[in-house]
This record gives sequence, C-alpha cells and structure tokens, in this order.
Amino acid sequence: DGGITQSPKYLFRKEGQNVTLSCEQNLNHDAMYWYRQDPGQGLRLIYYSQIVNDFQKGDIAEGYSVSREKKESFPLTVTSAQKNPTAFYLCASSPQAGGPDTQYFGPGTRLTVL
Amino acid sequence: GQQVMQIPQYQHVQEGEDFTTYCNSSTTLSNIQWYKQRPGGHPVFLIQLVKSGEVKKQKRLTFQFGEAKKNSSLHITATQTTDVGTYFCAAAGGTSYGKLTFGQGTILTVHP
Repeated sequence: DGGITQSPKYLFRKEGQNVTLSCEQNLNHDAMYWYRQDPGQGLRLIYYSQIVNDFQKGDIAEGYSVSREKKESFPLTVTSAQKNPTAFYLCASSPQAGGPDTQYFGPGTRLTVL
Repeated sequence: GQQVMQIPQYQHVQEGEDFTTYCNSSTTLSNIQWYKQRPGGHPVFLIQLVKSGEVKKQKRLTFQFGEAKKNSSLHITATQTTDVGTYFCAAAGGTSYGKLTFGQGTILTVHP
C-alpha cells in the first residue's frame, strides 16, 4: 500500500523541548516538502528537498531543521528556537525534483506545545 | 518571493447555490494546481492547468487558467454538502523553481 505516512497524528510537548516529526514515503518520489498550517490559513513552506542529502529553506525555516539521509524519509525537527510551534504540520512529496509536479500529502501531525 | 492571492477567504452558501474562488499572481505562472482539504484532513490534488486560457471540468467543478497565465478560478455548480472544505490554488513558476506557492485558501461552508 503506497503513500506518505506521518507519525504521530497528535503530539504534545513542553515549551523548550525539541521535537522531531516523522515523514516516510514509499512512492519513490524524489522531492519532499514540509508545510505548516495555522487555523484558517494557507500552507507555508518550511523546508524542501529535491534529492537525498540536499535540502533548501522555505519561507519560514527559522526554528526548524531537517535531514534527508534516505530518499524515503524527511524528518522535521521543531527546535526550542521556534517561537510559536503549535500548528498542523504537513509533509508532502512529488515525483520529480525541480518539476511543477502534483504534491501528495501525508495525513499531518498536530503539534501542541504546552 | 512569489505571492499568490486567493479570494474570498470565506464563503457560505446554501446547498444548490454556485461557488467561485479566484487566484491571482503578479507574475506569469508555468502552471497552477488546485487542491481540496476536507475539515480535519489533508490537501488532496484536484487538477493542474498548464495552457493559457485552459478550461477543464470535473463533474460540477470548472477550472480556468487566464489568458496571461496570471490568474485562475474554480467554479462549483449547484453545491452539495460534500463540497465543504478549503480550496487552495498552488502556483508554479517564476522564482519558485521546484516548489509550489499556495494561496491562502477559500473555506467553503454549505448549508443544507
């Protein structure tokens, strides 16, 4: 069964703690993306990766970090430097690097920082 | 960076009424995509428009790409309660190599 998985669905953390969100895809897609969505708002790009071992900052990268050690995995770390981390985080992938391809989204992780 | 403006932000309709959301860019786009996000869900791809003036239909949904490739619209005829959700346009082109720029989305509520 192919697709994108994100875990966990809900995540609670105390202020000041780093937290890592998982994103895995078995679609053999080259490109992967992380977005943040706040209530009633659109998607804002945090980081994206078009190839293994390479990634670029999106529009709101401050306070976040990523890695792309494997093609199928693109974890996102929300660091304590992120001032307002509570949000809905969406991971996506697309078939080709550099192309204006359709993006396929995972189910998302709702992060709440207490 | 590239910006895409989408209006309206909210739209409430009675079931059976029509609905339209508009997307505008200040730069020429290579393509535009539309996504739907159901309440509590994740965005799901609906369609991609590539050609100037292109019009595509999916049952009650009609998608248009402007002649100058700077604007697009999604029109739903005779809305149903299953149409509720947030509709996003997403643009590729200009300086956004390898990524999409999403509009703010239009939240559609359909009253039975």
